[in-house]
Amino acid sequence: GIQVEQSPPDLILQEGANSTLRCNFSDSVNNLQWFHQNPWGQLINLFYIPSGTKQNGRLSATTVATERYSLLYISSSQTTDSGVYFCAAEYYNQGGKLIFGQGTELSVKP
Amino acid sequence: EPEVTQTPSHQVTQMGQEVILRCVPISNHLYFYWYRQILGQKVEFLVSFYNNEISEKSEIFDDQFSVERPDGSNFTLKIRSTKLEDSAMYFCASSNLGEQYFGPGTRLTVT
Repeated sequence: GIQVEQSPPDLILQEGANSTLRCNFSDSVNNLQWFHQNPWGQLINLFYIPSGTKQNGRLSATTVATERYSLLYISSSQTTDSGVYFCAAEYYNQGGKLIFGQGTELSVKP
Repeated sequence: EPEVTQTPSHQVTQMGQEVILRCVPISNHLYFYWYRQILGQKVEFLVSFYNNEISEKSEIFDDQFSVERPDGSNFTLKIRSTKLEDSAMYFCASSNLGEQYFGPGTRLTVT
């Protein structure tokens, strides 16, 4: 069935380190988004990236649609980057619904 | 910058009671969604709504759930008779296709 899989499930980093989070999806997608869930539970939009590469400050993302994966890069991590990172995919003919992965829980230590 | 808003931020209700969660989508958006997240789990799609009707719903969205756009700005989710397992964070989102913008969520606690 339609799936979104994220890896790793958990990641612990020292402040200043870089990291790569991966999202695999099982079919062609209309939409691929990355979110950061903060400690208050809010979902913060990071990237809308159905294909290509985007950068926003220390964060960047790449989606290779033909190979059905997306990567989120975090450089020079800070303690405020801690939280859960979700990717979510909208597949064709699914009424616009986003299917979320299980998330990667990132903990950045000072 | 326009944003999706939700009220209340936290609601506590007793099992069997009706609750209405409210959302104000971004004003020029035409597509509206509800998602929920049980504590510690992933976010799950509930329903999508376009042109005053449901366009897609999940198996979670059974007869106890309903959605409505009562006026030009609000979008509501009603749970008719709450169960303990309805305790979750409920997110509203809106879009014009493409990127979906999420509200801050309503944390529903059913006791």
